[in-house]
Amino acid sequence: DARVTQTPRHKVTEMGQEVTMRCQPILGHNTVFWYRQTMMQGLELLAYFRNRAPLDDSGMPKDRFSAEMPDATLATLKIQPSEPRDSAVYFCASGFGTSDTGELFFGEGSRLTVL
Amino acid sequence: AQSVAQPEDQVNVAEGNPLTVKCTYSVSGNPYLFWYVQYPNRGLQFLLKYITGDNLVKGSYGFEAEFNKSQTSFHLKKPSALVSDSALYFCAVSRRTGFQKLVFGTGTRLLVSP
Repeated sequence: DARVTQTPRHKVTEMGQEVTMRCQPILGHNTVFWYRQTMMQGLELLAYFRNRAPLDDSGMPKDRFSAEMPDATLATLKIQPSEPRDSAVYFCASGFGTSDTGELFFGEGSRLTVL
Repeated sequence: AQSVAQPEDQVNVAEGNPLTVKCTYSVSGNPYLFWYVQYPNRGLQFLLKYITGDNLVKGSYGFEAEFNKSQTSFHLKKPSALVSDSALYFCAVSRRTGFQKLVFGTGTRLLVSP
């Protein structure tokens, strides 16, 4: 079964520490999205890539967040330094198509707790 | 910018009864519309989508949704609810032109009682 794989599934860290979340999109998919889910804000789009190129990261706090795709099999989301308000579940999703009319496939999420 | 409104935080329905989860959207031009479902501690799963054509879209697990352009709505429906349908449901929209990004609503929790 093809699936989006995210690591770590759970992360507890202290304020100020660097956090890196990784995502392996489904092989062959050319779009990758990072979403953040909280009770207060719901699902927020942080960044998305097409063919490894970042197309929109306007939803991401630029001072501490960064997203990259070093190759087609890996997407990373980094927070440095982390703050308690970053506590959330971070989802990666991948899809395929030139017009994004297809469905997105979501990973299981990385639950981040910043103390 | 596109947006989605899901006016109900929670919908309660008895098993065997029909269910409706409401969604309205705002987007410039014609939309692509989607419904996703999220079970506890899981990622979102695709249910169905409207791209073009027939306004009634059928999807997974017996769900369907009706696109209504004049009311800018895309309500999710099922003729007979199951307890296992209890989950969090998200409506999403993207634009047709340019590079689309999927914007989600706040979600509606569906509780189906036995």
